[in-house]
Amino acid sequence: DQQVKQNSPSLSVQEGRISILNCDYTNSMFDYFLWYKKYPAEGPTFLISISSIKDKNEDGRFTVFLNKSAKHLSLHIVPSQPGDSAVYFCAASADSGGSNYKLTFGKGTLLTVNP
Amino acid sequence: DTGVSQNPRHKITKRGQNVTFRCDPISEHNRLYWYRQTLGQGPEFLTYFQNEAQLEKSRLLSDRFSAERPKGSFSTLEIQRTEQGDSAMYLCASKWGGGPAGWDFGPGTRLLVL
Repeated sequence: DQQVKQNSPSLSVQEGRISILNCDYTNSMFDYFLWYKKYPAEGPTFLISISSIKDKNEDGRFTVFLNKSAKHLSLHIVPSQPGDSAVYFCAASADSGGSNYKLTFGKGTLLTVNP
Repeated sequence: DTGVSQNPRHKITKRGQNVTFRCDPISEHNRLYWYRQTLGQGPEFLTYFQNEAQLEKSRLLSDRFSAERPKGSFSTLEIQRTEQGDSAMYLCASKWGGGPAGWDFGPGTRLLVL
């Protein structure tokens, strides 16, 4: 049962353009969402997050939008740079008791930014 | 502070052998998680420690797996009688305090079971 879904395995964009990565979730108990970037042979690196009480969070070139009614979030990268090329994971969290905020990840989207 | 470290970074073993991985979290972090990432999948939760107490284990963690965090510092994950299906990247993450944010991930240990 995939509770966090990233339906696009890959995305290719031109340098300078916008990259939009999408994520859907099914568990209505999730109340915090995160995006991670991962290079091969490295651990995930935190990018940006959003609480369920907000619908938008912005940090530099990265903006995350949350649509709770649709159980959908997206990550916008503007402008895209070749160094952004990596696998992007969407993750969601809910307190499952005992202050255990384990993360549930999607399968990831491979972003390639072409010069 | 050099972040979360994991050793070894790579491990190749034969089916049936035992392996042990180590995670050294950021020193002041009291919470530590283990995740497993298989090919084409996102990381999946394995187990969670708050200080030295193991508070939750995933159903993915069969009885061949055991994790410890003595003295609430480093953690070890042992797999006994490895199977080819255990081949994966094993990731460790740590943080200080409660809440859903602030996780630091280690670089992972890639296990290949032949």
